[in-house]
Formats: sequence, C-alpha cells, structure tokens
Amino acid sequence: RKEVEQDPGPFNVPEGATVAFNCTYSNSASQSFFWYRQDCRKEPKLLMSVYSSGNEDGRFTAQLNRASQYISLLIRDSKLSDSATYLCVVILDTGRRALTFGSGTRLQVQP
Amino acid sequence: DTAVSQTPKYLVTQMGNDKSIKCEQNLGHDTMYWYKQDSKKFLKIMFSYNNKELIINETVPNRFSPKSPDKAHLNLHINSLELGDSAVYFCASSQEVAGQWTGELFFGEGSRLTVL
Repeated sequence: RKEVEQDPGPFNVPEGATVAFNCTYSNSASQSFFWYRQDCRKEPKLLMSVYSSGNEDGRFTAQLNRASQYISLLIRDSKLSDSATYLCVVILDTGRRALTFGSGTRLQVQP
Repeated sequence: DTAVSQTPKYLVTQMGNDKSIKCEQNLGHDTMYWYKQDSKKFLKIMFSYNNKELIINETVPNRFSPKSPDKAHLNLHINSLELGDSAVYFCASSQEVAGQWTGELFFGEGSRLTVL
C-alpha cells in the first residue's frame, strides 16, 4: 500500500464549480500535512498546511481527519488558473524534514 | 532573483555516462534536498542535507552521490547512467521559522534527464 494515495483524476470541471479532492495516508503516526500545487512542467509549490481544526485560505479549504487518516481539499468558485496537479503531502517525522508526496490529482477547469 | 536554481534544465545523454546537476539557493536556508519525479509524476526524496551534513539518504543506488560544498549548494552526481534514471530531478531548500520547521519546501525548476 502506498504511503499517500490520491485519485489521479483528471477532474474536469467548469469555471465556477466547487471541487473536492481526498487523500489517504497509511501511517497513523504522521505528524504534519500539506497540499502542494504543481503546474504542468513546473516545480511544486506549497498551497496550504492542513490542520485538524480545518483551515481556509480564500476559496480553498483543507481538512484533516486523523481517525480516518484522510485529508481533503475543497476549491470553491473554480478559476481557469486553478488548473494544475494538487499534491497531498505528509510528514512522518518532522525531525527528518522529509516530505512524502502523493502522486497528485489533476484538475482541469474549463471555460 | 531565482531563489533555488538548478543547472542544467535539460540533459540528454547515453547510458553508461556520468553526469552532474548543480543546485544553488540564495534564500539562506539550512536544509537542501534532492527529489526525483518519475514518469508517473511520483515525487520521491533522495537526499537531504542540513548545514552541509547528510541527514537523509533514502534507498538510492550508490551511483548517485550528493555533494554539499557549502550550505547554499547541493550538487548531484550520477555515475553509469541507466535508462531508469530518466526523470525530473528537483532540488529544494527549507528553513525553520521561529525555531519551527514549517514544511514549506522551495523547489528549483527541475532538471529533466533523459537517458538514451
């Protein structure tokens, strides 16, 4: 079983739609969680951290469910510029500073 | 100003050759990394260095050798290249903020290696 699993997509949605991605992780001892975004043929960039209490950044909301070991990302009012691959990221041990990436979920927002 | 820069961006070479990829960061970060992204887009850590000291060395063939001459540079040398080494190699750096590691990695643009 992979350490971090995501539906690869693609998710094709019209502009203005709300879309949600889920991610599951295998190690219950995982300490920190993030969503990164990677545009086509570009480097990954941090989108947001994920906390148990949930957090929101504009149109983006991230949630963590430790009991079920899944992380979600909700994007409201999708824009064309949201088209990218969204990478779920887990840290098992912050002392090692090693990020474990999921293989990503591709989002294509269409006009 | 490019925060994390890698050279070369593209590298096409024959099997059996030896090649190097260089990485420099001007962010003043203490920790640097090499990640490999294969054709399935899976990003996997290879190495990390903190203040020039190796702290992570994942299961990587010993044909891959990182070298950190100072904390702003982390180079990757690959001996006897194989077809399976074809991938995008990303350099990254990170830093603690107020004594806490934030989990934010700053990546370079990647070096696309094609082994023929």
